[in-house]
Amino acid sequence: DAGVTQSPTHLIKTRGQHVTLRCSPISGHKSVSWYQQVLGQGPQFIFQYYEKEERGRGNFPDRFSARQFPNYSSELNVNALLLGDSALYLCASSLLVTEAFFGQGTRLTVV
Amino acid sequence: AQKVTQAQTEISVVEKEDVTLDCVYETRDTTYYLFWYKQPPSGELVFLIRRNSFDEQNEISGRYSWNFQKSTSSFNFTITASQVVDSAVYFCALSEANSGAGSYQLTFGKGTKLSVIP
Repeated sequence: DAGVTQSPTHLIKTRGQHVTLRCSPISGHKSVSWYQQVLGQGPQFIFQYYEKEERGRGNFPDRFSARQFPNYSSELNVNALLLGDSALYLCASSLLVTEAFFGQGTRLTVV
Repeated sequence: AQKVTQAQTEISVVEKEDVTLDCVYETRDTTYYLFWYKQPPSGELVFLIRRNSFDEQNEISGRYSWNFQKSTSSFNFTITASQVVDSAVYFCALSEANSGAGSYQLTFGKGTKLSVIP
């Protein structure tokens, strides 16, 4: 069975641009969460979606938004990119309070 | 608010030595879950173990063992007879069970980088 898949793997963007990151959860998992991991730090929670509804939001500006589609895949959008948005963005799928399975991440570099 | 502290930033051990990674957590909830993840250089977070707050029984899985003590809010992880392949960043994480809202989010520590030297 396929695990959590994220695309693209790597991305380079210029300040002020917009970016869309994509995530496909494990088959049967209805919850998708997004995390930002800055170099040298632990992952920080951004969003959680369950059954296409936002169930949790971390302390991130409104430039960050997300959505979940009927097939449970998800997109994370970031507008007006800043240098500080450079990070590894991780997607996790889960059956709520069981373990969360993470994808390989998208490494975003903002120049 | 919940918080996870991993005081050890980096640890180096010689292969076959035992090593313990410390984790201290803070939460106001009585029901919560604790996790350990491994992050190799490839970047993917690999799930190792989950414990719930009602189960303080220590666990051993091969060369890995975990010591959960609610009295000291600690959830330590020990690798016995370390191997070079154990080299990675290890994260401790906490989740509060806001099951009413269907919310499920992990709070991670800053991680401990383990280097096992041959």
